[in-house]
Amino acid sequence: QSVLTQPPSVSAAPGQKVTISCSGSRSNIDNNYISWYQQLPGTAPKLLIYDNNKRPSGIPDRFSGSKSGTAATLGITGLQTGDEAEYYCGAWDSSRSASYVFGTGTKVTVL
Amino acid sequence: EVQLVESGGGVVRPGGSLRLSCAASGFNFDDYGMNWVRQAPGKGLQWVSGINWNGDNTVYTDSVQGRFTISRDNAKNSLYLQMNSLRTEDTAFYYCTRGIGPPPPSNSPGHCFGPWGQGILVTVSS
Repeated sequence: QSVLTQPPSVSAAPGQKVTISCSGSRSNIDNNYISWYQQLPGTAPKLLIYDNNKRPSGIPDRFSGSKSGTAATLGITGLQTGDEAEYYCGAWDSSRSASYVFGTGTKVTVL
Repeated sequence: EVQLVESGGGVVRPGGSLRLSCAASGFNFDDYGMNWVRQAPGKGLQWVSGINWNGDNTVYTDSVQGRFTISRDNAKNSLYLQMNSLRTEDTAFYYCTRGIGPPPPSNSPGHCFGPWGQGILVTVSS
């Protein structure tokens, strides 16, 4: 069972903006770095955002991340059909035994 | 180019064992922590286990603690996952992924993970 909660799905037209929320707790999001991963259909996940708001080389600046307290947000502007994918947040959880936890996942649909 | 290639998956009966391997190339393997993440068919991601750069620190998700063992051989640029007492709920695609985080001599498996291998399917079924 995931301890990070995301909306099951979001959608928007091409060129529009979507935001995906990730809700956690003090033991994960509040006290640790948040990351975001993109999983295109039938492929392995890819790191999209790390350390709350940093983009790895090659990730366009249409993707952005932010964090406030026990919640984080991924933003995608200028939505493209190629952005249709499942998106997951992730963070280390310091409660009891340390483990990395992923969000429940959000399906982005480009209308 | 960084590459991670998993091998060793397959079909095994409940209670059986399997050893996954991950061959790494294109980067200094012993500068990074490494991790295994799994995904049951049609389901979300679940982190399984992580290991720091030299193998001194290993961590596991609760459901595999005591059954799975992560290890690495830096001389062979390889990561392993020994899976014992397998259960039907262990059926999943298993991904090898590089940890991104503090450099050695950190004991961290990484703040986050990238890149990822293509994944290997493990099916536990009678």
